[in-house]
Amino acid sequence: DSGVTQTPKHLITATGQRVTLRCSPRSGDLSVYWYQQSLDQGLQFLIQYYNGEERAKGNILERFSAQQFPDLHSELNLSSLELGDSALYFCASSAEGGSYEQYFGPGTRLTVT
Amino acid sequence: AQKITQTQPGMFVQEKEAVTLDCTYDTSDPSYGLFWYKQPSSGEMIFLIYQGSYDQQNATEGRYSLNFQKARKSANLVISASQLGDSAMYFCAMRANAGGTSYGKLTFGQGTILTVHP
Repeated sequence: DSGVTQTPKHLITATGQRVTLRCSPRSGDLSVYWYQQSLDQGLQFLIQYYNGEERAKGNILERFSAQQFPDLHSELNLSSLELGDSALYFCASSAEGGSYEQYFGPGTRLTVT
Repeated sequence: AQKITQTQPGMFVQEKEAVTLDCTYDTSDPSYGLFWYKQPSSGEMIFLIYQGSYDQQNATEGRYSLNFQKARKSANLVISASQLGDSAMYFCAMRANAGGTSYGKLTFGQGTILTVHP
């Protein structure tokens, strides 16, 4: 158990819908990262937050957004969902801005039908 | 930009034998870290081992060791005494360790599926 929690574990929704994925980092970790794992794109970095502030952005679509709250949990919002958004979405956390190992949550498997 | 290449889509090894999973990288960052993660069929990503670019010695964690050859830009994972439970997908990843646009985020390779035979 990495100490990072993600909910829900599975999510099935229809095209055009909006979903919210939630992540709680390990106790004491200030940084949260979101990654997407799909068959065609592999594992890709989406976005990073550090202590409530956006720190870095990767290949995140404009339809996707994220935030980190004062209690350090983070949410990833996916809207206008398309079939191609079906993937495993991971949250990871680390102790500081980037100098420490990242521990991954169990992931949320999103299926868009 | 950072790039990780894992050239072995699949590897097979006999139980109790050692196996090496290859990883080469490319980066312009002067300071960086290299990671290996294991992803079993259940899907979770398990951190295995970390090597810093300025570390003098190769990292080891139990049965895992990282064969770091900086001049060759390679960071191969060696698993000794393979067990059936080692069957999984293995990812090599890297990140910049100080500043720059790559700071913090992990860049992953495509992965290698390891199958351990009894």
